Amino acid sequence: QKEVEQDPGPLSVPEGAIVSLNCTYSNSAFQYFMWYRQYSRKGPELLMYTYSSGNKEDGRFTAQVDKSSKYISLFIRDSQPSDSATYLCAMSVLQGGKLIFGQGTELSVKP
Amino acid sequence: EPEVTQTPSHQVTQMGQEVILRCVPISNHLYFYWYRQILGQKVEFLVSFYNNEISEKSEIFDDQFSVERPDGSNFTLKIRSTKLEDSAMYFCASSEAPTDQPQHFGDGTRLSIL
Repeated sequence: QKEVEQDPGPLSVPEGAIVSLNCTYSNSAFQYFMWYRQYSRKGPELLMYTYSSGNKEDGRFTAQVDKSSKYISLFIRDSQPSDSATYLCAMSVLQGGKLIFGQGTELSVKP
Repeated sequence: EPEVTQTPSHQVTQMGQEVILRCVPISNHLYFYWYRQILGQKVEFLVSFYNNEISEKSEIFDDQFSVERPDGSNFTLKIRSTKLEDSAMYFCASSEAPTDQPQHFGDGTRLSIL
């Protein structure tokens, strides 16, 4: 079983749609959960960072962590064409520890 | 906004040669990392570095690889005797402190081994 699983997509939505991106994981020791956005030929850009379970909201983005189900989500409201990118989930056991990444989901938001 | 800077953006090297990838982490950051991403695959952890020593390394990070912080601003990854399978994007990351601070990534160096 892969440590972190993420549907690679591609996922195509119309502008203004609500987007849901998800990752599942197998290691119950993960405590720190991140979502990164990666544009073509660029490095991962941090979007959301959460510790343990719960929700976190930042503008149009909401991150959810359900440790009991080993499942994390990123919701994007009012999606824009500029949101078109690959979204990577990442997680770590320790603060400052190595990140384990998902495969990344390619998102396309059509005008 | 402060950012992690990597040079060069693209490096082409003959198989068997040594290559040094350079990174300038965010200035007040204390933890440094290298990751790589082979085309079409996941981003993979290579090594973490703190207080002038390796904190953790993956099984990928064998004797072919080494890291160094030669001065107060640069962080380098050296790959000796490069192989075709070393072709990948190499990302440097840094974080400020061990408490509740995420890693910030540079835009990477694309390494092509011929």
